[in-house]
Amino acid sequence: EIVMTQSPGTLSVSPGERATLSCRASQSVSKNLAWYQQKPGQAPRLLIYDASTRATGVPGRFSGSGSGTDFTLTISSLQSEDFAIYYCQQYNKWPYYTFGQGTNLDIK
Amino acid sequence: EVQLVESGGGLVQPGGSLRLSCAASGFAFSSYAMSWVRQAPGKGLEWVSTLSGAGGSIYYADSVKGRFTISRDNSKNTLYLQMTSLTVDDTATYYCARDATSIFRGLYWGQGTLATVSS
Repeated sequence: EIVMTQSPGTLSVSPGERATLSCRASQSVSKNLAWYQQKPGQAPRLLIYDASTRATGVPGRFSGSGSGTDFTLTISSLQSEDFAIYYCQQYNKWPYYTFGQGTNLDIK
Repeated sequence: EVQLVESGGGLVQPGGSLRLSCAASGFAFSSYAMSWVRQAPGKGLEWVSTLSGAGGSIYYADSVKGRFTISRDNSKNTLYLQMTSLTVDDTATYYCARDATSIFRGLYWGQGTLATVSS
């Protein structure tokens, strides 16, 4: 099983600042990585797939990068609606997906 | 617009069964693989099962293999998850998700249905 590890567990950032979230795979997943946002009481929402492709309707302040084992989600200027939990997901061995444990992005 | 509406969750005793449903609309249902992903209260996301568009390929997580059965009715645009021999560890919100056609471009999720296993 490919283990996905996200860091940090909690990230406190002020509105308007930049947030950088990390995800590491226990083995190479090439670029087969997605990012999701989840707000309390809601379903996850797809943000990024193929490591760096924004899903339809996702604002340009969200960007993804990386390949192999190390990936980053960057939110360039945090808006109030961006405070949520973010999960990475590998799909290199479709459909035996594994998810990271999540990064809780909260307001500083 | 992609819409996925789950139903069928509820309270069940250990050893019992539940059948979850997911009604899909807004896309060509039979062209897409469909998945179930669950989330225990306060915990992260765990993939449960995936079924190909035509229903010929089925995949399960080890944690549910032999107890859960995924199926679909493409004439009704509906996905199912039959859950048997339930344990307290199966307590979770179960999300239905639109999966891949020939290429994976991320999961699109329903709002989820809560299954609680408790005596």
